[in-house]
Amino acid sequence: KAGVTQTPRYLIKTRGQQVTLSCSPISGHRSVSWYQQTPGQGLQFLFEYFSETQRNKGNFPGRFSGRQFSNSRSEMNVSTLELGDSALYLCASSLDSEGMIQYFGAGTRLSVL
Amino acid sequence: TQLLEQSPQFLSIQEGENLTVYCNSSSVFSSLQWYRQEPGEGPVLLVTVVTGGEVKKLKRLTFQFGDARKDSSLHITAAQPGDTGLYLCAGTPRGSNYKLTFGKGTLLTVNP
Repeated sequence: KAGVTQTPRYLIKTRGQQVTLSCSPISGHRSVSWYQQTPGQGLQFLFEYFSETQRNKGNFPGRFSGRQFSNSRSEMNVSTLELGDSALYLCASSLDSEGMIQYFGAGTRLSVL
Repeated sequence: TQLLEQSPQFLSIQEGENLTVYCNSSSVFSSLQWYRQEPGEGPVLLVTVVTGGEVKKLKRLTFQFGDARKDSSLHITAAQPGDTGLYLCAGTPRGSNYKLTFGKGTLLTVNP
């Protein structure tokens, strides 16, 4: 079956702009989690959605938001971009019954200039 | 403060050598996972360890979960260039509400 698909793969934005990233989970997976990966901080949890509801949230400012649609696809939005938001944004999906087994997409590389 | 500390941060070895990387915490984890991430890709799950003292083998990779469930190690025997990648440990602290926490990883380079 198809894996987790993230679009776009690469994105270049300037400070102050906003950006929306998309994630299509594995078919049948109802949980989608988002992570930010940087060389300095590693992988940091942003939030998790399950059945269109945010179930968990990490320690990121309110500029970072997300949502999940009825087909489990998820979007992440970052408003008022800052240079420090440059990172690889990873999406992971899981069957809720599997607990913590997550399948990651290839990520969206965001560069903020 | 990083909940999961991984060491070493970088490791460069020759093909055929053995190596061990570590994942340590002061917290108890319900389970720990190991992932490998290759450049331009997302992490791929290698193994999940659940029981304290558990040892799991995956071909040349041996994973161990500490008795107290606060640490884990990954041992690779006869490393090959294809083992090159970022090795990440991750887990959910006991009592946490389903929030996977990652270490910063060990970047392994296996030279031919």
